[in-house]
Amino acid sequence: QSVLTQPPSASGTPGQRVTISCSGSSSNIGSSAVSWYQQLPGTAPKLLMYSNNQRPSGVPDRFSGSKSGTSASLAISGLQSEDEADYYCATWDDSLNGWVFGGGTKLTVL
Amino acid sequence: QLQLQESGPGLVKPSETLSLTCTVSDGSISGSAYYWGWIRQPPGKGLEWIGSVYYRGNTLYNPSLKSRVTISVDTFNNQFSLRLSSVTAADTAVFYCARLWFRELSWSYFHSWGQGILVTVSS
Repeated sequence: QSVLTQPPSASGTPGQRVTISCSGSSSNIGSSAVSWYQQLPGTAPKLLMYSNNQRPSGVPDRFSGSKSGTSASLAISGLQSEDEADYYCATWDDSLNGWVFGGGTKLTVL
Repeated sequence: QLQLQESGPGLVKPSETLSLTCTVSDGSISGSAYYWGWIRQPPGKGLEWIGSVYYRGNTLYNPSLKSRVTISVDTFNNQFSLRLSSVTAADTAVFYCARLWFRELSWSYFHSWGQGILVTVSS
């Protein structure tokens, strides 16, 4: 059972917009910045979004992040087949005094 | 471009200690803006933070693993290491090392990741 809650799966067709949610509490998302990671099949996770809504260099602007209260979201617009991957949210938790990850969301492009 | 590379045995016997090393290249482990961490991923499951170390030796551990984990840093060789004691089959996972940027702990993220190493616990 992960501290941060994500839907186990999401799907969309090419060109669609998909949103993945990440729910936490006041001790984690409510008081810390959220980051998102993309894990393509058989590869290491890669930083996709940091500080709630900042894209690292090289990440397409089709990806966007937001945070409100104790929840965060990752949106992918103009969905492409290469976006098919697992997506994880993460943040610092004051109560646990450590970093926590969401359980991950498997995105399928239909 | 910073690179991280995990190394260590791919097979460990139950009740023994798992030991892994992460070698950092094309960058210094002594940067003041970074923690260095270990994350694991059991086959088919999600990511779990194990612990992190600062170049001065300060450590942070996942409370669920704290009694079995030791993470240390070797600034001379630009490496940091993980020891996980009393392993069981439940510890079988891909282990990743990562660099974590932070301004303060509540404003941080895992910036760079190693490729990962599969460690199987089996007799």
